[in-house]
Amino acid sequence: NAGVTQTPKFRVLKTGQSMTLLCAQDMNHEYMYWYRQDPGMGLRLIHYSVGEGTTAKGEVPDGYNVSRLKKQNFLLGLESAAPSQTSVYFCASSYSWDYGYTFGSGTRLTVV
Amino acid sequence: DAKTTQPPSMDCAEGRAANLPCNHSTISGNEYVYWYRQIHSQGPQYIIHGLKNNETNEMASLIITEDRKSSTLILPHATLRDTAVYYCIVGPISSGSARQLTFGSGTQLTVLP
Repeated sequence: NAGVTQTPKFRVLKTGQSMTLLCAQDMNHEYMYWYRQDPGMGLRLIHYSVGEGTTAKGEVPDGYNVSRLKKQNFLLGLESAAPSQTSVYFCASSYSWDYGYTFGSGTRLTVV
Repeated sequence: DAKTTQPPSMDCAEGRAANLPCNHSTISGNEYVYWYRQIHSQGPQYIIHGLKNNETNEMASLIITEDRKSSTLILPHATLRDTAVYYCIVGPISSGSARQLTFGSGTQLTVLP
């Protein structure tokens, strides 16, 4: 039982490049989330999903897209990376709205 | 969403109880209080949550005041591994709202040997 797995763990991108971050959970959770965390700050919600085939915008969605084609996977895409997207990205999942979240270990992304 | 106020930092002696306060004076009747912690850039870890009754699990106890405007997370016997940033968050009970948990700056707890 791996919980929440994020791929890759580290990545360096050049400005304008695109990439996809993968989040996979094996707990059969309905809800999945993508957060970003910048130095010295709390986590900010980018996008979330309340079930397979659904997505919704969070607090800071601009510059990102997401997809939830399979219940166990939640993908975060950067179409044209910018230095302002340099951050640590965390994925999380939960069984329901009022259950605690299980977080992945994070993806450290640097855009140069 | 109700906002929370936490002290930016606290120290605690190893083996002693750590009491982390949180003010959430604008909390509504349909919002839980959640506590998470983040150890040195790892992913946050869920600790406990409650509505209005005190709660206890294997990690901690949560004491919520009767008016629900504040709460205290208690780590009964703090160890060095409890050094982390602790987040107090309020969030909706039902899925009728599109609101999500908002993580603020939290309290940096340092457990001293």
